[in-house]
Amino acid sequence: EVQLVESGGGLVQPGGSLRLSCAASGFTFSSYWMSWVRQAPGKGLEWVANIKQDGSEKYYVDSVKGRFTISRDNAKNSLYLQMNSLRAEDTAVYYCARGEWELSCWGQGTLVTVSS
Amino acid sequence: DIQMTQSPSSLSASVGDRVTITCQASQDISNYLNWYQQKPGKAPKLLIYDASNLETGVPSRFSGSGSGTDFTFTISSLQPEDIATYYCQQYDNLPYSFGQGTKLEIK
Repeated sequence: EVQLVESGGGLVQPGGSLRLSCAASGFTFSSYWMSWVRQAPGKGLEWVANIKQDGSEKYYVDSVKGRFTISRDNAKNSLYLQMNSLRAEDTAVYYCARGEWELSCWGQGTLVTVSS
Repeated sequence: DIQMTQSPSSLSASVGDRVTITCQASQDISNYLNWYQQKPGKAPKLLIYDASNLETGVPSRFSGSGSGTDFTFTISSLQPEDIATYYCQQYDNLPYSFGQGTKLEIK
């Protein structure tokens, strides 16, 4: 069974940092682009970033460029999102998803709350 | 950035009704469009890719059409389990933007 499990969310103060993880199982992780998508409370979906199979290409939405870093460890079947200089507007459920643009499998999400 | 506009924002229909949602792109995106279903408290689920292709395992009452800037998502006969919010997503250009969503309720 294909499964993605996010972890690492929580409450953080503005300006703080957080590292999200996504553990993949049930498929050949190293064969797929992977993505992060977020959803602010009561709002719609926002694509955040994606990363190529070997990590050689990474793309970000403008609002997180220079603050967030997407990475992966194919040996550990894991995807990461390092989030620095967090702002209130980064408050959201963060989903990891399999795929570059066709997001065929999603995790359950992890909630990040940025508040003092 | 490409803007995706869905209509309506919310919709109330009866079981068995034909339901149609539209999605308009701010520029030509060919057929680079996906549709997702998100049930309350759950992660989104891919239903349609490349504007009109049904994802494996998705019931055939769901369909999609369109190209260029105008797209349509249809449920041929609404079922109670179809209550959800539906999103379109373009992948012609980065960032891969989503529509604002259409919340579907049972009348």
